[in-house]
Amino acid sequence: KAGVTQTPRYLIKTRGQQVTLSCSPISGHRSVSWYQQTPGQGLQFLFEYFSETQRNKGNFPGRFSGRQFSNSRSEMNVSTLELGDSALYLCASSLMLSATDTQYFGPGTRLTVL
Amino acid sequence: AQSVTQLGSHVSVSEGALVLLRCNYSSSVPPYLFWYVQYPNQGLQLLLKYTSAATLVKGINGFEAEFKKSETSFHLTKPSAHMSDAAEYFCAVSDPGHGSSNTGKLIFGQGTTLQVKP
Repeated sequence: KAGVTQTPRYLIKTRGQQVTLSCSPISGHRSVSWYQQTPGQGLQFLFEYFSETQRNKGNFPGRFSGRQFSNSRSEMNVSTLELGDSALYLCASSLMLSATDTQYFGPGTRLTVL
Repeated sequence: AQSVTQLGSHVSVSEGALVLLRCNYSSSVPPYLFWYVQYPNQGLQLLLKYTSAATLVKGINGFEAEFKKSETSFHLTKPSAHMSDAAEYFCAVSDPGHGSSNTGKLIFGQGTTLQVKP
């Protein structure tokens, strides 16, 4: 079974631009979560989706948004990019929306903002 | 609110030596705990998880962890380190959310980089 895939793997943008990242979960998984990983702040939860609905959101500004499609694929968007948005963005999928379900992570998208 | 503390941002061991990575949690409810490993330029891979069954949890690649409620700890161990174990390790606790809401949200520790010397 294919794992979680994320596209693109690497992105370079300039301040003020916007970016869209894509995540395809493991087949049959219905929950998708997004995390931001930086050297200073570590791994921080962005949001999670289940059945096309955002179920939980982390403490990030409104410039960060996301959505989930009927096939469980998910996208996240960051508008008006800032230098501090440079990070590895990780997507994770799980079967259901449950605290005990294993989250399977993708390889991440490395975003660099210049 | 849940939180996780990993003691030691860097741990160095010799090949064949015991690996001990420390994790302490803070939780107002019975926690679910996880250990993940991250190799360079890769995502996170689950090593093991505790979900209130046996307190000694065995994972992949020879790793295990013991849940100790009295010490609020979930330390990761491996009897004999291998060069391929060099990576960053993350302890995480799941956030049960509010009320009856379900969530898969994970709260991570800051990570511990394991160096294995030949």
